[in-house]
Amino acid sequence: AQSVAQPEDQVNVAEGNPLTVKCTYSVSGNPYLFWYVQYPNRGLQFLLKYITGDNLVKGSYGFEAEFNKSQTSFHLKKPSALVSDSALYFCAVRDIGYSTLTFGKGTMLLVSP
Amino acid sequence: GAVVSQHPSWVICKSGTSVKIECRSLDFQATTMFWYRQFPKQSLMLMATSNEGSKATYEQGVEKDKFLINHASLTLSTLTVTSAHPEDSSFYICSARKPGLRIDNEQFFGPGTRLTVL
Repeated sequence: AQSVAQPEDQVNVAEGNPLTVKCTYSVSGNPYLFWYVQYPNRGLQFLLKYITGDNLVKGSYGFEAEFNKSQTSFHLKKPSALVSDSALYFCAVRDIGYSTLTFGKGTMLLVSP
Repeated sequence: GAVVSQHPSWVICKSGTSVKIECRSLDFQATTMFWYRQFPKQSLMLMATSNEGSKATYEQGVEKDKFLINHASLTLSTLTVTSAHPEDSSFYICSARKPGLRIDNEQFFGPGTRLTVL
């Protein structure tokens, strides 16, 4: 089975400060990990993915994520948050034996001016 | 790019009527499309996987006769909510994956359809 946990319902950060949105996963094989962002009443937009290679993955809008196999984590980070980053963020995993993505419950990021 | 569209973006219907939602891949052919349902402030729940030219594979607990899925072409999948009731009100999102056996094939998501059943 494959599963994803996002332990925080909401993350609050001031504009200009670094942000981290946490994600841990569970798979039986090699994980393929994704981050998506969703704005109100919109579909999901792809941010970045980890397939193999460097543990630090850089994505859209200045976001990056670090794959940590020993901690089974794939936390999303950004060095300096913007108010426009406020949205719902989803972590997703796909195990090699599965054809579908499993999503975490989502974390609302609120960036205050 | 890879763009997926949905139509309509929102729909309001009366209880007991049927509603059809279209999902189109605009600039690529999608052998596989997925339908998700999202409740307010919750995650996406996969409803079914749709493969072109074959029957959809439904997730456990999803009523096949209520949520009819048709993947008639490589660029179009439809979800029909039959005899809709207020509890079917939700945000429905489709996604499409490019053909090929790459395990890391990315899914491209549509903008979603807000269904409200009165």
